[in-house]
Amino acid sequence: AQRVTQPEKLLSVFKGAPVELKCNYSYSGSPELFWYVQYSRQRLQLLLRHISRESIKGFTADLNKGETSFHLKKPFAQEEDSAMYYCAPALIKAAGNKLTFGGGTRVLVKP
Amino acid sequence: DGGITQSPKYLFRKEGQNVTLSCEQNLNHDAMYWYRQDPGQGLRLIYYSQIVNDFQKGDIAEGYSVSREKKESFPLTVTSAQKNPTAFYLCASSIDLRTSNNEQFFGPGTRLTVL
Repeated sequence: AQRVTQPEKLLSVFKGAPVELKCNYSYSGSPELFWYVQYSRQRLQLLLRHISRESIKGFTADLNKGETSFHLKKPFAQEEDSAMYYCAPALIKAAGNKLTFGGGTRVLVKP
Repeated sequence: DGGITQSPKYLFRKEGQNVTLSCEQNLNHDAMYWYRQDPGQGLRLIYYSQIVNDFQKGDIAEGYSVSREKKESFPLTVTSAQKNPTAFYLCASSIDLRTSNNEQFFGPGTRLTVL
């Protein structure tokens, strides 16, 4: 069965400190990987996707196939990074590409 | 935001009643999805639809039903058979289901409370 684990429910860091959100997945195939974010009073939205190899708002995510992890990192957290973050692998199949969401990690950046 | 709308924002229903949640999108997307969001459990997929007149069960479809008569609309009915219906329901859409890196766009959600 496909499973996504975000072990930390809450991460509290000070402004300017590094932040790392962990995500581990167990899939039989090779999924595409996404991080979604939900800021207060806003809709859930895509933050970044592995296939794009991009850095968005200073965040990057490294895929480690050996450890089946896709951790999200930012070297210097800002107060506006406070939000709920979801890791979401998608197993690509002929029948369709469905996302499976982790339980989410709430990030609180303190001044 | 626009693009994908859900109504109503808050919904109350009595136990034993069916209720229908609306989801509309004007993004010309083929694929649409319904998720349920519970604290600490992330989002769980209820139903999804790749194209008009077609839909498939997600991971927690029991007690729910959907229809896809129009491309822009994907209503979700929470039936009396759903044992724990109180939750936050999110609708989403994407260009299609075949592209590996397509982005899902989410609505603002409907909070359903069963009294």
